[in-house]
Amino acid sequence: DIQMTQSPSSLSASVGDRVTITCRASQGISNFLAWYQQKPGKVPKLLIYGSSTLQSGVPSRFSGSGSGTDFSLTISSLQPEDVATYYCQSYNRAWTFGQGTKVEIK
Amino acid sequence: EVQLVQSGAEVKKPGESLKISCHGSGYRFTGHWIAWVRQMPGKGLEWMGIIYPSDSDTRYSPSFQGQVTISADKSISTAYLQWSSLQASDTAMYYCARTAPGTGNTPFEFWGQGTLVTVSP
Repeated sequence: DIQMTQSPSSLSASVGDRVTITCRASQGISNFLAWYQQKPGKVPKLLIYGSSTLQSGVPSRFSGSGSGTDFSLTISSLQPEDVATYYCQSYNRAWTFGQGTKVEIK
Repeated sequence: EVQLVQSGAEVKKPGESLKISCHGSGYRFTGHWIAWVRQMPGKGLEWMGIIYPSDSDTRYSPSFQGQVTISADKSISTAYLQWSSLQASDTAMYYCARTAPGTGNTPFEFWGQGTLVTVSP
């Protein structure tokens, strides 16, 4: 089974900061990597798929990159409404989530 | 508009059985996989399994194989998740989710609102 490992588990940053979350797959998954945002008490929302393709309606301050085993999600300028837990997910053979990264405002 | 509407919250006792549902509308139900995702209190997302309603092809995460059963009734555009004997550790929010369009595996584009299952003596 493919394991997905995110880092950090949590982070605190100021409004306007650039924030990067990383995700590592235990084996190569090409670009079969998605990122989800889950705000407190809400349903998860698909942000990015195919490692770097922004889902319709997602603000352009979100971006994704990577291929193979190493991936990242970047928020170019953190906003208060970005407070959430972010999950990566591989979907090349099965569907496996990372453990999540909680993003807070400092 | 694509919608996934899940059945309501459940409170059950250990050992009881349960079947929760997820009704899809606004799209061709037989054309997309429907997945189930568990979220235990304060914890992350866990993929449980997935079904293709057109032919009921079903795949399970190894962690959930044998623990739950996923099924679908395409005549009423509804997918199901069921337990034969609940345990306290099954207490969680359960989401259904529909895959995005495309060939091969795709991520989860649309999500149900979640069904909270509480198992307590």
